[in-house]
Amino acid sequence: QLQLQESGPGLVRSSETLSLTCTVSGGSINSDTYYWGWIRQSPGKGLEWIGSIYYTGDTYYNPSFKSRITMSIDTSKNRFSLRLSSVTAADTAVYYCARRRIELWAGFDPWGQGSLVTVSS
Amino acid sequence: DIQLTQSPSFLSASVGDRVTITCRASQVVTSYLAWYQQKPGKAPNLLIYGASTLQTGVPSRFSGSRSGTEFTLTISSLQPEDFATYYCQQLNSYLIAFGQGTRLEIK
Repeated sequence: QLQLQESGPGLVRSSETLSLTCTVSGGSINSDTYYWGWIRQSPGKGLEWIGSIYYTGDTYYNPSFKSRITMSIDTSKNRFSLRLSSVTAADTAVYYCARRRIELWAGFDPWGQGSLVTVSS
Repeated sequence: DIQLTQSPSFLSASVGDRVTITCRASQVVTSYLAWYQQKPGKAPNLLIYGASTLQTGVPSRFSGSRSGTEFTLTISSLQPEDFATYYCQQLNSYLIAFGQGTRLEIK
């Protein structure tokens, strides 16, 4: 059974860079069948797609983040990562990683349990 | 960019009720829409993809449909475990958007 686990600092200073890693177990990230994505949820708010990455390293970013975001993938370690620069309090959120099939009709499944990142001033 | 608007934002219902949640897209889209259920403190769970296909393991009381730019999630007979927040999600030109959510609470 595929599992995803987010990891990274729970506290990031304002103006610095948020870095998270999603480690995949129970299956290979080196697959042409799936995209790997990041989604966040601010406290008490809805879901916001951040971006997705393919095993080749091709990336698709939410335009709202495009100038601040970098996603990467390490197939040798079966994990992918998110870096979000110049963070502010508005970036405080639970960050989820998730898998999505490449077919256009697919949804995200499964999801990691989420990682709370708080941006402090 | 596609905007997804869910209605209602909040819904109060009783066990056994039939409820419908609507997701409207801001422009003509294909059937690349998914529905998720999220319970407090938990990650979202995929219920439906392709507008109407039930994810494996999801009870058959859940169903999805589409009419033009309007998508609908229906729960035929609410069970206690169905009280949660529901989100729609759309894919268009490799960009993904979520609706703002519908919170379903016990009356």
